[in-house]
Amino acid sequence: SAVISQKPSRDICQRGTSLTIQCQVDSQVTMMFWYRQQPGQSLTLIATANQGSEATYESGFVIDKFPISRPNLTFSTLTVSNMSPEDSSIYLCSVIGTGSTGELFFGEGSRLTVL
Amino acid sequence: AQSVTQLGSHVSVSEGALVLLRCNYSSSVPPYLFWYVQYPNQGLQLLLKYTSAATLVKGINGFEAEFKKSETSFHLTKPSAHMSDAAEYFCAVSDTGGFKTIFGAGTRLFVKA
Repeated sequence: SAVISQKPSRDICQRGTSLTIQCQVDSQVTMMFWYRQQPGQSLTLIATANQGSEATYESGFVIDKFPISRPNLTFSTLTVSNMSPEDSSIYLCSVIGTGSTGELFFGEGSRLTVL
Repeated sequence: AQSVTQLGSHVSVSEGALVLLRCNYSSSVPPYLFWYVQYPNQGLQLLLKYTSAATLVKGINGFEAEFKKSETSFHLTKPSAHMSDAAEYFCAVSDTGGFKTIFGAGTRLFVKA
């Protein structure tokens, strides 16, 4: 298993500002995943963050809007840039468990409200 | 392409009654299938997973799911609901290793006293 800590747990932001979410894992992992969960909806993968290389973004998500850093094997950040009310969501950091059977471990999420 | 369909966005049962949450998947390769639970204001946690071993999979909190290839289904059941089971449940599929996990829309379970 993996223990994942996210900061902040929640925040209220003003339109046009940017916010950086931090994700810390208690063990070294190759890949970290960032998901978005819009109100009342399921999870959508934003990007996969690999240490030492640029993040891989899913269709509909771009680096200018969601820049990601991955400075080492236990830490990543996701920035939500130039926020609008449509960015109000829960942002979740996730890693794959050891053993390669594919289960994901999640942080408790960062709930952002953009006014 | 893989996909997951969860039938019913909301399910309501009485305490002590059977819980049945439905999930159908589409996958071009033998899938890995998962059920996750999300309690209010928390992240997701794994309930159970199918990875081509036994077709009947037992998970935490008394939940189990059966993989039926012929029906492309992976329904989640629990014989007797408890108030603490009230949560959002997500079915998910990935091809290998979890690198591209696709989540269903979720089913919110309500448990009535």
